[in-house]
Amino acid sequence: DSGVTQTPKHLITATGQRVTLRCSPRSGDLSVYWYQQSLDQGLQFLIQYYNGEERAKGNILERFSAQQFPDLHSELNLSSLELGDSALYFCASSVQGGDTEAFFGQGTRLTVV
Amino acid sequence: GQNFDQPTEMTATEGAIVQINCTYQTSGFNGLFWYQQHAGEAPTFLSYNVLDGLEEKGRFSSFLSRSKGYSYLLLKELQMKDSASYLCAVFSGGYNKLIFGAGTRLAVHP
Repeated sequence: DSGVTQTPKHLITATGQRVTLRCSPRSGDLSVYWYQQSLDQGLQFLIQYYNGEERAKGNILERFSAQQFPDLHSELNLSSLELGDSALYFCASSVQGGDTEAFFGQGTRLTVV
Repeated sequence: GQNFDQPTEMTATEGAIVQINCTYQTSGFNGLFWYQQHAGEAPTFLSYNVLDGLEEKGRFSSFLSRSKGYSYLLLKELQMKDSASYLCAVFSGGYNKLIFGAGTRLAVHP
């Protein structure tokens, strides 16, 4: 158990809908990362927050947004969902930004039908 | 930007040694990470190399050459449970963007 908690574990929704994925980092970790992993694909970096502030952005779609709250948990919002958004979404956390390893949650498997 | 080059797939025999290579080009570099990921599961941290040279941790060792943009992960005494994808990763352009290579899928056979 990495100490990073993601909910829900599984999510099935229809095209055009909006969902929210939640991540609770390890105790004491200030940095949160979000990744998308489509079937048999690599981990695609979406966005990173540090202590409530957005610090880095990857190729995140405009339909996607995220935030980190004062209690350091983070949410990833996905809207106007398309079939191609079906993927595993991972959250990871680390003590600070770079130079320390990140620990991953078990992921949320999103299926868009 | 950042680019990685890892072999897509490798096979090895139980009990053997395998070396998984990773070459990278990145703007800004703080060190290189290796992660293991079993299919459908979360990546788990294996090692982090900041300085050149070899670091050993049990059956797994990792090597880094910063000047050559090259790293490898060495797995000894392979076990069936080592069948997984192995991902190299770096922080690109500073301390905030942790980028992963596509990974090498290792299959260990009896």
